[in-house]
Amino acid sequence: QKEVEQDPGPLSVPEGAIVSLNCTYSNSAFQYFMWYRQYSRKGPELLMYTYSSGNKEDGRFTAQVDKSSKYISLFIRDSQPSDSATYLCAMSDYNTDKLIFGTGTRLQVFP
Amino acid sequence: DVKVTQSSRYLVKRTGEKVFLECVQDMDHENMFWYRQDPGLGLRLIYFSYDVKMKEKGDIPEGYSVSREKKERFSLILESASTNQTSMYLCASSPAGAPRGTGELFFGEGSRLTVL
Repeated sequence: QKEVEQDPGPLSVPEGAIVSLNCTYSNSAFQYFMWYRQYSRKGPELLMYTYSSGNKEDGRFTAQVDKSSKYISLFIRDSQPSDSATYLCAMSDYNTDKLIFGTGTRLQVFP
Repeated sequence: DVKVTQSSRYLVKRTGEKVFLECVQDMDHENMFWYRQDPGLGLRLIYFSYDVKMKEKGDIPEGYSVSREKKERFSLILESASTNQTSMYLCASSPAGAPRGTGELFFGEGSRLTVL
């Protein structure tokens, strides 16, 4: 079993839709949770960063962590064609030197 | 604007050739990383470095080596390229600070290597 599981998609939605992207994980020691966005032929860039449980909001983006279920989500409201990208979850614990990445979910938002 | 620059965006090499992938960052970051990205496998860590002249193996170091002679530069070396090393290679950097695994990574645009 992989430490981090993420549905690869592709997920195709119309402009304006609410998008939900998810990851599950197996290591209960993970405390730091991130979402990276990767446009085609580019490197990933950090989108959201959350420590421990709870929600974090930034504009149209909300990151949610449920440690009891070992489940994290990224919600995108009022999705735009410019949101079309691959979204990678990543996580780590205090004692590790490494981020563990999900495989990424490809999102396409059509006009 | 922070920048991680990978010198070659696209390379085509033959089996057995020695391949150098260069990465330079201008943010004075202590930490540098090399990943490879493959469909269905995601990002896998090859090597990382927390200081000049030091290196640590990641999850898949076999067939690779690295060099960090200067703080801003981290090179990935494929001593004898093989077809299973055809992949997207991503360099990243992050500033010093504990815990190391929790800081934001700044990625380059990637080097797509094809080994024939």
